[in-house]
Amino acid sequence: AQTVTQSQPEMSVQEAETVTLSCTYDTSESDYYLFWYKQPPSRQMILVIRQEAYKQQNATENRFSVNFQKAAKSFSLKISDSQLGDAAMYFCASTRMGSARQLTFGSGTQLTVLP
Amino acid sequence: NAGVMQNPRHLVRRRGQEARLRCSPMKGHSHVYWYRQLPEEGLKFMVYLQKENIIDESGMPKERFSAEFPKEGPSILRIQQVVRGDSAAYFCASLQGANTEAFFGQGTRLTVV
Repeated sequence: AQTVTQSQPEMSVQEAETVTLSCTYDTSESDYYLFWYKQPPSRQMILVIRQEAYKQQNATENRFSVNFQKAAKSFSLKISDSQLGDAAMYFCASTRMGSARQLTFGSGTQLTVLP
Repeated sequence: NAGVMQNPRHLVRRRGQEARLRCSPMKGHSHVYWYRQLPEEGLKFMVYLQKENIIDESGMPKERFSAEFPKEGPSILRIQQVVRGDSAAYFCASLQGANTEAFFGQGTRLTVV
């Protein structure tokens, strides 16, 4: 079984500043993926970034990067140069590799970007 | 290539009625997952289907809920005799294969009055 915990229900950041969203997880799987999804008010779930657990290098996608600490089972998301369009609910999620890869989601962090 | 299409976007049902939620996966995708999102919560897995087969329904309530993904046509999530507690957003995601990215639809918001 997998569990994902996001301990920050709400965060805020000033436009152009950097913010880090926390996520911890627990899994008995040896091979798994970790994800951050963004859900704006439109409710569309948008994949922000993904990390394969077997890769030591932290994933990066433009202004979004992760700090993956496998031993600590921590997977935080850093957003640099925050923009107003980054305001959304952010969900951390995990899944095992292979078939039947349902995602296990955290409870989410609501990010507000202040102008 | 259209994304994952869910309809309707909003559905209002009275207690005791049936709700049918539809999901058309992306072209070429044969794996469909349904998730439920209660207010202020993350998405919770309900069921995983491939064409004409239910692979994993461990997240589905035992009664009133059913899902199908026929050979032709969209995947259907059916909720019989809806109750207020069924009010939620229901999301569908499709994948091309087992180790590929999941693409989500925009969800159906079900309100039971």
